[in-house]
Amino acid sequence: DIVMTQSPDSLAVPLGERATINCKSSQSVLYSPSKKNYLAWFQQKPGQPPRLLIYWASTREAGVPDRFSGSGSGTDFTLTISSLQAEDVAVYYCQQYYTTPLFTFGPGTAVDIK
Amino acid sequence: EVHLVGSGGGLVQPGGSLRLSCAASGFDFTNYNMNWVRQAPGKGLEWVSFISSSGSVIYYADSVKGRFTVSRDNAKNSLSLQMNGLRDDDTAMYYCAAGGGDYMDSWGQGTLVTVSS
Repeated sequence: DIVMTQSPDSLAVPLGERATINCKSSQSVLYSPSKKNYLAWFQQKPGQPPRLLIYWASTREAGVPDRFSGSGSGTDFTLTISSLQAEDVAVYYCQQYYTTPLFTFGPGTAVDIK
Repeated sequence: EVHLVGSGGGLVQPGGSLRLSCAASGFDFTNYNMNWVRQAPGKGLEWVSFISSSGSVIYYADSVKGRFTVSRDNAKNSLSLQMNGLRDDDTAMYYCAAGGGDYMDSWGQGTLVTVSS
């Protein structure tokens, strides 16, 4: 099984500042023939279901603000919120789908306003 | 617009059964793989089950294998999860999630299952 870890567990960032969340997989999620990383990021606000933000490690889902960006390859990935807004307070999860349909999620990172 | 509405949750005693449903609309359900994902209170996300668009491929997490059964009715745009032998640690919000490709791109609001005596 691929195990996903995230760091930090939580972070508080001033409004307008950058927030960075890291995600690591226990084995590579890069499929070499296609050069695609099978990694997604989800945002979950209190009382709401998760929302897809990023797939293929760096492709933004339609309607997602461009302050959200994903990067990384292989086993190490990053979600960056370039300028934190109040509505971005949420828990963020990475998920690998390399072993689809046996998906695994990271434990989540809670983002709050400092 | 993709719309997924879960139902069927409730309070059940340990060892009991419950059947969850997910009604889909706003997209071509027959072309989407479907998943159940759960979230225990205050905890993270756990994938539970997958069923392919045709219903021919099914997978379960080890934690529910042999107790849960997923099914779909493409004529009725609906997804179901039959849960038997429920345990305390099955208590969670259960979400249905659709995927047009390899990843889950749309999620329903969830239905809460509480297993308690």
